[in-house]
Amino acid sequence: DAMVIQNPRYQVTQFGKPVTLSCSQTLNHNVMYWYQQKSSQAPKLLFHYYDKDFNNEADTPDNFQSRRPNTSFCFLDIRSPGLGDAAMYLCATSRAGQPTDTQYFGPGTRLTVL
Amino acid sequence: AQSVTQLGSHVSVSEGALVLLRCNYSSSVPPYLFWYVQYPNQGLQLLLKYTSAATLVKGINGFEAEFKKSETSFHLTKPSAHMSDAAEYFCAVSITGTASKLTFGTGTRLQVTL
Repeated sequence: DAMVIQNPRYQVTQFGKPVTLSCSQTLNHNVMYWYQQKSSQAPKLLFHYYDKDFNNEADTPDNFQSRRPNTSFCFLDIRSPGLGDAAMYLCATSRAGQPTDTQYFGPGTRLTVL
Repeated sequence: AQSVTQLGSHVSVSEGALVLLRCNYSSSVPPYLFWYVQYPNQGLQLLLKYTSAATLVKGINGFEAEFKKSETSFHLTKPSAHMSDAAEYFCAVSITGTASKLTFGTGTRLQVTL
């Protein structure tokens, strides 16, 4: 089945220690998104890639960066995690970036910062 | 900027009862509206979407929603709740020119009791 895969499902890191979250897709979609979802809150878009074009949200902290080396993979790098970065991180894809497109979500990575 | 408001962070219904989850939107241009469901520790899954075709939209698992421009609403309904419907439900909006970027509401947690 075509799908969005996130690894690991659970990640524990120490305060200030860089961490990388991984997302891969078999849908061959052009657009990949990263969302941050804190407990009992709505998902908040951090950035997205349309093919290789990176689009950062205006309020995304500089601490968060992303890489998309190819169509299938996208990474979220948190350079110096703080306690406030503990959250579920969701990766999603959409086919063509049209406003009517369905976004397909991975299961998420839950990040704990000690 | 577009936004959605979900009235009621928690809704509890009995099994077999009507489910009604409320969503109101705000947008200066015609919106596209979505309902997503999130089960515990999982990503989001599309239930249904309004893309300016039919105002009554049918989705998966027996859910439907009606777009009412005069009321700026897109409420989600299901005639008869099932225990498996217990989850978090998010309403979301996108507009033309935003590369299918979604703005989510704060979510409604649905509890289904026997």
